[in-house]
Amino acid sequence: DVVLTQSPLSLSVTLGQPASISCRSSQSLVHSDGGTYLNWFHQRPGQSPRRLFYRVSNRDSGVPDRFSGSGSGTDFTLKISRVEAEDVGVYYCIQGTHWPPFTFGPGTRVDIK
Amino acid sequence: QVQLVDSGGGVVQPGESLRLSCETSGFIFRNYGMHWVRQAPGKGLEWVAFIRNDGSFQYYVDKVKGRFTISRDNSKNTVYLEMNSLKPEDTAVYYCAKGQYGSGWFGFDYWGQGSLVTVSS
Repeated sequence: DVVLTQSPLSLSVTLGQPASISCRSSQSLVHSDGGTYLNWFHQRPGQSPRRLFYRVSNRDSGVPDRFSGSGSGTDFTLKISRVEAEDVGVYYCIQGTHWPPFTFGPGTRVDIK
Repeated sequence: QVQLVDSGGGVVQPGESLRLSCETSGFIFRNYGMHWVRQAPGKGLEWVAFIRNDGSFQYYVDKVKGRFTISRDNSKNTVYLEMNSLKPEDTAVYYCAKGQYGSGWFGFDYWGQGSLVTVSS
């Protein structure tokens, strides 16, 4: 199975400062169809996950443009240019290139310093 | 608007069964695959099962194969997760999630609110 490793696992950020989360895969996530199936989610405490990006860098509707997704192959990054209070919670990546199973990263917890 | 409503959770003893339902609205259900994802208390997300839009194929994480069955009723816009021989380690909030259009397999763009399953003696 593909293993996704996220770093850091915990991040404490000052409001207005940037944040960056890495998601590394044990195998290349380039599919035989040429696509890269890597999504990012945000989960606030007590809520369901919300998708932020699909296929690496495609921002979902309603996601603020202070968020960006990038990467290729085995290395992917979620960046927040200026952290706001509503950004706290846990961020997960998931791969859908080598499935089943679909595999999630362990999550990165973000809070405000 | 797209809505997914999870139901059917509860407290059961080890070895018992439970069926979860996810009723959907706001999209053409028969055109989309559907997933179940679970989250043990205080833990991360774990994908559990996927069913194609027409119900022709089902896929499972190894630890639930042979015990869980995903199914769908396209006339009721509902996906189900039948869980048998439940174990304490199956205790989790179970979410349904909308998959991708047609023959696609990914998605996860909309999620239900979750249904808590507790397996305890």
